[in-house]
Formats: sequence, C-alpha cells, structure tokens
Amino acid sequence: GENVEQHPSTLSVQEGDSAVIKCTYSDSASNYFPWYKQELGKRPQLIIDIRSNVGEKKDQRIAVTLNKTAKHFSLHITETQPEDSAVYFCAAKVSTDKLIFGTGTRLQVFP
Amino acid sequence: EAGVAQSPRYKIIEKRQSVAFWCNPISGHATLYWYQQILGQGPKLLIQFQNNGVVDDSQLPKDRFSAERLKGVDSTLKIQPAKLEDSAVYLCASSPLGLAGDYEQYFGPGTRLTVT
Repeated sequence: GENVEQHPSTLSVQEGDSAVIKCTYSDSASNYFPWYKQELGKRPQLIIDIRSNVGEKKDQRIAVTLNKTAKHFSLHITETQPEDSAVYFCAAKVSTDKLIFGTGTRLQVFP
Repeated sequence: EAGVAQSPRYKIIEKRQSVAFWCNPISGHATLYWYQQILGQGPKLLIQFQNNGVVDDSQLPKDRFSAERLKGVDSTLKIQPAKLEDSAVYLCASSPLGLAGDYEQYFGPGTRLTVT
C-alpha cells in the first residue's frame, strides 16, 4: 500500500549544528517529494521539494536528496537556528496527485 | 494572492452532534483537498476534488463524513454524528492541478475540532 516512513520522531540539536531527517516511500511511481514545516498551531508550510528527475536540490541552508533506487529521501538543515524549531513532515505524491505524509519529526534547536 | 480560507477556526461540540467546515481555495486552483490531522500525526487525506468531481475519497468514513464542492470552488465538510475520535485539526488545501509541473499544495489555517 501507499506508505511513507519518517525518522527520527524527535531530534534535538545545538544551534549551528546540522539536522538530518530521513523518509522512505513505498510507491515506486511517486515523482514528487515535498517537505513541510509546521509550527505549533499553524498550517504546514512548504519549505522545499524535489522531483524524481533530480537527485539533490538546495535552497540556502536547506537541502533535499533523493535516492529513487532505494526509495529514500532526506532533508538536511545546516547551521541550524532556534527559529528552525518546528515539526517537519515529508510527503510523497502518488498517482492521483494525493500526498502521503510521514509521521513527522519534532526538531528542537537549543541556543 | 489570497491564501486558502477556512472557517470556523475552532469548534467544540458534544459527541453525536453534527458540524460543518467551510473552505475557499486559492482562486483558479482546480484541486481541493480535505485532510484530518490528529495531534502528533501527519495530515491524512480524507477527500480530494478536481473541480467539482471526487478523485479520491478512499479514507473518508462515509457513514458519518460527507463533503461537497458545488460549482468547483468552495467546499464544505460535514460530520454527522461526531465521535470523540474525530477531535483533530481539519485542514483544507488547494493546488493548481499540476499544470506546468506545479504540484505544490497550499494549506489553509485549519479548523480545530474538539468533541466532548
């Protein structure tokens, strides 16, 4: 079935360190992988996405990598700041344009 | 551009009562989604509309949930009767139908439902 697994569920880092969140998807036809940031009580906001025709995409301190063979994709945040603290969700688009979301990673960045 | 609008923002009801949520997507977006987000979990798709037709409602509990999107614009989601386990945030999202490769879904602020 359609499934996205996300790890870790919680992640604590010191300000300035890097954070990595990993996801695995099951539908080999998935071709679009967005990452959303959700602050407490707010709506999910897209921070970066990647399509299946590229292996890596970077936007300032945020990067996403995709391994289609292994059906893995990861979010990398470098030089973390306290304002990066939030819940991050990965997702994979399946054939009907539906997004299947991971279970979320609560990132805490300590000053 | 204006974002996705939802109302109400908060709703408290007793179990077995009914409730309705409203969503107005971004103008011109053909696809509209309703998600249920239980505390501590990722959003789960309930129903997906393309214009005024249903694309996917496989995870909609049809014995108590219903949704419509008349005229392919606004949408309402109804729960009748509500159960305690329906307590969640109901998120509406819209997207331009993947035209020109734009798959991004834009989320509304959500409606927080508490069933007591």
